[in-house]
Amino acid sequence: EAAVTQSPRNKVAVTGGKVTLSCNQTNNHNNMYWYRQDTGHGLRLIHYSYGAGSTEKGDIPDGYKASRPSQENFSLILELATPSQTSVYFCASGDRDSGNTLYFGEGSRLIVV
Amino acid sequence: GQQVQQSPSSLVLQEGENAELQCNFSSTATQLQWFYQSPGGSLVSLLSNPSGTKHTGRLTSTTVTKERRSSLHISSSQTTDSGTYLCAIDTNTGKLTFGDGTVLTVKP
Repeated sequence: EAAVTQSPRNKVAVTGGKVTLSCNQTNNHNNMYWYRQDTGHGLRLIHYSYGAGSTEKGDIPDGYKASRPSQENFSLILELATPSQTSVYFCASGDRDSGNTLYFGEGSRLIVV
Repeated sequence: GQQVQQSPSSLVLQEGENAELQCNFSSTATQLQWFYQSPGGSLVSLLSNPSGTKHTGRLTSTTVTKERRSSLHISSSQTTDSGTYLCAIDTNTGKLTFGDGTVLTVKP
């Protein structure tokens, strides 16, 4: 069974603080993605990666950094969190061998106060 | 403009009725996927259908690539079908772009 796990599942951060959201996949997929979802909207791509050591900017990368230290792990980093980054963040993995189907984690709910 | 547009934004049905969800996109799609998101939950891929018609269980997706549209038909809806249905396309970039979704409510 494909598995993508995210941590933390819930986080309250203060404005200006640093937040790291972690994602681990056991699918051995090359590609990993970070999306955010705001109430009433679809998902917007923040950063993605084609493999260990690679990170690419998605559609809304400002204010976020990403790190892919290994095939299994992909982190999203908010160096200076702002209230506008309050959202639900989803990590996903996929590649051509999986028919490009994406497998999503359970989501991380972040509130920045 | 928005690359992926879904309609309707919300839909309320009685159990047993059929649902028809639409997805229109502004660019040529090399991949099109339909996802289901449970209320407050994660996303699960339902169907991958870049062209033609595909069936799985009570779901049928029809994608007309030239007309840049896809539909998802849910037959004999059940209360457990309630949730958000999301359409996403890949325009040969390796990245999926999502629509805002259709919120389906099935009443008993």
